[in-house]
Amino acid sequence: SQTIHQWPATLVQPVGSPLSLECTVEGTSNPNLYWYRQAAGRGLQLLFYSVGIGQISSEVPQNLSASRPQDRQFILSSKKLLLSDSGFYLCAWASGGFTEAFFGQGTRLTVV
Amino acid sequence: GQQVMQIPQYQHVQEGEDFTTYCNSSTTLSNIQWYKQRPGGHPVFLIQLVKSGEVKKQKRLTFQFGEAKKNSSLHITATQTTDVGTYFCAGNYGGSQGNLIFGKGTKLSVKP
Repeated sequence: SQTIHQWPATLVQPVGSPLSLECTVEGTSNPNLYWYRQAAGRGLQLLFYSVGIGQISSEVPQNLSASRPQDRQFILSSKKLLLSDSGFYLCAWASGGFTEAFFGQGTRLTVV
Repeated sequence: GQQVMQIPQYQHVQEGEDFTTYCNSSTTLSNIQWYKQRPGGHPVFLIQLVKSGEVKKQKRLTFQFGEAKKNSSLHITATQTTDVGTYFCAGNYGGSQGNLIFGKGTKLSVKP
């Protein structure tokens, strides 16, 4: 069966520090991978998606970046965090563009 | 970019009352998906609608996809306290195999 792992679950980082969130998927190959951010009490904002290794599409310009170094690994990064980067970050995968997405448990990031 | 509008943002009902949330897109959707997020949790897939005018039921939940494939609704009959959470629609657009655009969600609270 397929599983998705996302870590860490919670993170408190100072303003200006770097960020690296990792997401891995098991039990499937060539998945579509997604990073979403959810501000407190708000909707899901699509940040990045990837349909293959090295293929990253950015939906929202900001100080975040994403990389897909391996087929089932998706990394969200920042060189310098801003207060506005605080939120609940969710990684998700889907077997194709028009199939259901499966979400990881999420990382709650607080920038202080 | 593509946007999926969802209303209402919040809905408070008495247990046993019905609940409906609506989604609308300015452009035609390839399909639409519905997710439920419990407080503190991650979104979980409920259903996908693909065909124009499609109606699907899951027990007390009824999902509809508009004839023009631009709008959708989720209706819950006789709400229960277990229905509490945020309901999201998510749209897939033709030609964009990767991105999955979520509405802002409707947060449902049920008073026993």
